[in-house]
Amino acid sequence: AQSVTQPDIHITVSEGASLELRCNYSYGATPYLFWYVQSPGQGLQLLLKYFSGDTLVQGIKGFEAEFKRSQSSFNLRKPSVHWSDAAEYFCAVAWYSSASKIIFGSGTRLSIRP
Amino acid sequence: EAGVAQSPRYKIIEKRQSVAFWCNPISGHATLYWYQQILGQGPKLLIQFQNNGVVDDSQLPKDRFSAERLKGVDSTLKIQPAKLEDSAVYLCASSLDVAGVRDEQFFGPGTRLTVL
Repeated sequence: AQSVTQPDIHITVSEGASLELRCNYSYGATPYLFWYVQSPGQGLQLLLKYFSGDTLVQGIKGFEAEFKRSQSSFNLRKPSVHWSDAAEYFCAVAWYSSASKIIFGSGTRLSIRP
Repeated sequence: EAGVAQSPRYKIIEKRQSVAFWCNPISGHATLYWYQQILGQGPKLLIQFQNNGVVDDSQLPKDRFSAERLKGVDSTLKIQPAKLEDSAVYLCASSLDVAGVRDEQFFGPGTRLTVL
């Protein structure tokens, strides 16, 4: 069955420290991969996406993610976090088919320590 | 450019009552989605429209949930009767109909429903 796993429910990092949020997916076909951010009281915003090509993708707000086929992973990274990065982060996956839809992970809540 | 609008932002009802949510997508976006986001979970697709036709409603509990998009623009999602487990945030999103599932989805702020 198609699924997305975000193993970390809540992560706290210090402001200025680096960040890595984990995402793994199941199913063998090459997926379309997304990371979304949800700030309190706001809708989801797309940070970045991967469809094909270079496996390291750059997104908005200084985020990047790397697709590793061998590990079925698409981890999100940022070299130095800011207090404004505190939010909920969702990894999402879709697979190519005429009936494809995006499946979201359960999210990782990021807190920033001053 | 105006974003996706949703109303109301908050709604509290008692079980077995009915409720309706409204969504106005970004102008020109042919595809409209309704998601249910239960606390501690990611959004789950309830229904997807392309213009005013239904593309996917496989996860919509059709015995109590209904949705329509009559003129291919605004959409309403209704729950009748509501159950306690329907407490969630209901998100509306829209996208251009250019690249299918690869189109960027733009989300509204959501409606937080509490069923007592």
